[in-house]
Amino acid sequence: EDQVTQSPEALRLQEGESSSLNCSYTVSGLRGLFWYRQDPGKGPEFLFTLYSAGEEKEKERLKATLTKKESFLHITAPKPEDSATYLCAVNTNAGKSTFGDGTTLTVKP
Amino acid sequence: EAQVTQNPRYLITVTGKKLTVTCSQNMNHEYMSWYRQDPGLGLRQIYYSMNVEVTDKGDVPEGYKVSRKEKRNFPLILESPSPNQTSLYFCASSPLAGGGVEQFFGPGTRLTVL
Repeated sequence: EDQVTQSPEALRLQEGESSSLNCSYTVSGLRGLFWYRQDPGKGPEFLFTLYSAGEEKEKERLKATLTKKESFLHITAPKPEDSATYLCAVNTNAGKSTFGDGTTLTVKP
Repeated sequence: EAQVTQNPRYLITVTGKKLTVTCSQNMNHEYMSWYRQDPGLGLRQIYYSMNVEVTDKGDVPEGYKVSRKEKRNFPLILESPSPNQTSLYFCASSPLAGGGVEQFFGPGTRLTVL
C-alpha cells in the first residue's frame, strides 16, 4: 500500500527563519512526487514535481529535493505570505494519487 | 480561462437524499479525479478516471459513484448520503492519464449531511 507521511504537522517560524518540511514515502511504481500549497478553504496549487532521486527544483524562497525515500521542501527566509498548508503527494503508474496529511506553516512577522 | 469548476460550492442536505456534485474542466485533460478532505487531513482519493468510460476506485470509494461519459465532465454521485460523508470535496484534472504530471484542482464543494 502506498504511504506518504509528512512532518512536522505544524511549523511556526519567525519571518526570515529558514527551515525544512519533510515528506517520506513508500510507493511502488512512482511516476512523480508533487508538492502543493493549500490556503484555507481553497484547492491545492501546484508547486513542484520531482521524478528521480537527486533531483532539485527551486521557485523563489522554496526548494524541493528528492531521495529514494523522502523529499524535503526547504523554505529560505520565509515571509508571512508563505503561511499555508504544504501537501506532498505521490503518483503511481496505475493513476492513483496518495497525499500526505500536510504541514501547516505559520510565519510570524 | 483554463479552469476546473465544481457545483454547487456549498450544500446542506439530509441523510438518504440523493445528490450529484458536478465537475467540469475546459483544458481537454485526459485524467480526472475526486478527493475528499477532512479537518487536519490531506486529500483522500475517492475515484479517478484515465479517460472517457474508464473509472477506477481510489482509497475511499464506498458510498460514492462516478461516471465519465464525456471528456470534460466527471460528476460525483452520492446515492444515499450519510453524515460521515460530510466533508470538503475537490475535483482535479491532469493532462496525461499515465501520471507524472501535476493536477489542477477545482475550488471545492463543502458538503454537510444532517
